[in-house]
Amino acid sequence: QVQLQESGPGLVKASETLSLTCTVSGGSMSSYDWNWLRQPAGKGLEWIGRIYTSGSTYYNSALKSRVTMSVDTSENQFSLKLSSVTAADTAVYYCARGYFDSSGYFYPLDSWGQGTLVTVSS
Amino acid sequence: ESVLTQSPGTLSLSPGERATLSCRASQSVTRSYLAWYQQKPGQAPRLLIYGASSRATGIPDRFSGSGSGTAFTLTISRLEPEDFAVYYCQRYGSSSLTFGGGTKVEIK
Repeated sequence: QVQLQESGPGLVKASETLSLTCTVSGGSMSSYDWNWLRQPAGKGLEWIGRIYTSGSTYYNSALKSRVTMSVDTSENQFSLKLSSVTAADTAVYYCARGYFDSSGYFYPLDSWGQGTLVTVSS
Repeated sequence: ESVLTQSPGTLSLSPGERATLSCRASQSVTRSYLAWYQQKPGQAPRLLIYGASSRATGIPDRFSGSGSGTAFTLTISRLEPEDFAVYYCQRYGSSSLTFGGGTKVEIK
């Protein structure tokens, strides 16, 4: 059973860069896509972006100018950087796994990390 | 970009009752790439339904999904105490993902 675990600073200063890492255990990273999402307190879910093990990325157009994702399959990790953060970026950040099969059919996010709260301070 | 609108915002029901949740897309959903998730307080979302109508592994058969195109429904046939939670629909696929705003199913 695959497990995902987010890690990184819980407090980031405004205008700085938020950096998080998701460690994947119990399974291979190949044939999956790896996603970051967030959820402000009391609000809904927002997808930030996705990265494939090839390094290809897709980002939420609303955040694209500030987001960078990377993957390190040798360490079974993928990472998120969000620059120029403001209080609006305060949220629980989740990493999650999607899947696509050999025919190109996609499946949604079936495994999630527990989430990590990141607070942006002024 | 396709917007997903969920209704109602809150559903107040008693255990044993049937819950019907709606998700409408502003554009047709390709290949029925529509999923439903359940989220309880302090927990990550849990995948319930994918492909509009297929149950994810381990999901009880009281949960069912239906619909195509722009109109989708999640039905919980008989609510159990553990089913009171927030439910999100999600459009997925090869590019971006979008979520609906959620429906809270609360105990009446």
